[in-house]
Amino acid sequence: DVKVTQSSRYLVKRTGEKVFLECVQDMDHENMFWYRQDPGLGLRLIYFSYDVKMKEKGDIPEGYSVSREKKERFSLILESASTNQTSMYLCASSSPSTVGNTIYFGEGSWLTVV
Amino acid sequence: AQTVTQSQPEMSVQEAETVTLSCTYDTSENNYYLFWYKQPPSRQMILVIRQEAYKQQNATENRFSVNFQKAAKSFSLKISDSQLGDTAMYFCAFMRYSGNTPLVFGKGTRLSVIA
Repeated sequence: DVKVTQSSRYLVKRTGEKVFLECVQDMDHENMFWYRQDPGLGLRLIYFSYDVKMKEKGDIPEGYSVSREKKERFSLILESASTNQTSMYLCASSSPSTVGNTIYFGEGSWLTVV
Repeated sequence: AQTVTQSQPEMSVQEAETVTLSCTYDTSENNYYLFWYKQPPSRQMILVIRQEAYKQQNATENRFSVNFQKAAKSFSLKISDSQLGDTAMYFCAFMRYSGNTPLVFGKGTRLSVIA
């Protein structure tokens, strides 16, 4: 069964802290994505990666960076967390070889910055 | 850039009734995918239905069907025989046909099914 795992479901961090959100997929997918979800705004793309060590900016990359050292793992990094980064973060993965290019999602990470 | 618009922030429907959620999109692409995702209170995103733009036939999955109007750039979701478990956020999403592209989402419609 398809699995995208986000290591932390709930985090509380202080302003200025460096925060790592980890995502692992077990489907050997080439593509991985980080979205942010806020009420009334839907899901907005932060970064995505279509290969190891490759990354592309999404719609709202400011204040974030990413790392993809291995195919199965895609990390989202908040270099200096701020209160306006309090949100739910969703990781996803896909492969061009999958029928319909279906994207699979993790369960989400709720981040509160205080 | 592609955009997806869901004009109904909230909707409600009586159990066993039919409801239609609206979605329009804007693109200059000719080949693409359209999706409806469901997000229940657990927050897990669940694929409801997928439509490939080059297919004229509307996709159907059990009680869920779409009305895909390519010329009008419209992609509505019809839920028949609504059940309490259908209560969720529903997101319409667009993806270019190329294999390495992300989903572009609408802002969502919160659907409540009332007993």
